[in-house]
Amino acid sequence: GAVVSQHPSRVICKSGTSVKIECRSLDFQATTMFWYRQFPKQSLMLMATSNEGSKATYEQGVEKDKFLINHASLTLSTLTVTSAHPEDSSFYICSAREGYAETQYFGPGTRLLVL
Amino acid sequence: AQSVSQHNHHVILSEAASLELGCNYSYGGTVNLFWYVQYPGQHLQLLLKYFSGDPLVKGIKGFEAEFIKSKFSFNLRKPSVQWSDTAEYFCAVNKAAGNKLTFGGGTRVLVKP
Repeated sequence: GAVVSQHPSRVICKSGTSVKIECRSLDFQATTMFWYRQFPKQSLMLMATSNEGSKATYEQGVEKDKFLINHASLTLSTLTVTSAHPEDSSFYICSAREGYAETQYFGPGTRLLVL
Repeated sequence: AQSVSQHNHHVILSEAASLELGCNYSYGGTVNLFWYVQYPGQHLQLLLKYFSGDPLVKGIKGFEAEFIKSKFSFNLRKPSVQWSDTAEYFCAVNKAAGNKLTFGGGTRVLVKP
């Protein structure tokens, strides 16, 4: 149980284009989903927290207009990187938790390369 | 703001050796503590967690961790490692009933066969 998937696993795009990453909870309803970014050989940095049906809460320094987050259902959240630039290249990981449970379950991550 | 520090960035050891990874956090209130593992090419998996009760927590794959409140520590241990324990280990903390999970910098563990 508690499986979280992400799609795509890898994406390469041209600078200036937008990329959408999906995060799905497969066997539970995720009231809250989280988006993290992981730079090479570094730890995970929380980007934003999204609750189903409401606007995401972004961490300080994360541009909400650049990283659009939608959490329209209890099993799906999307992160759209708008007008991507090479510095947005990174590993993006989502996690989800059920209800008010304290434990987060992580997706496999999406590696984004912006050329 | 809370922070989490992991003392060792890299650990290299031989099979059957004992492993201990340090984790300290900087929040004075009630916290939940986690250890996650990321095997090469795989996603983060929960090893164990502490919310309350017995400060010695046992997790999967023979791992355990001890919460020492006075030292703000939650060190991970395994008495005898295997080659398959080669991975990166992350300590994480959140405030009890809080959303935000703060991760330590991670420790890369290499177990030589």
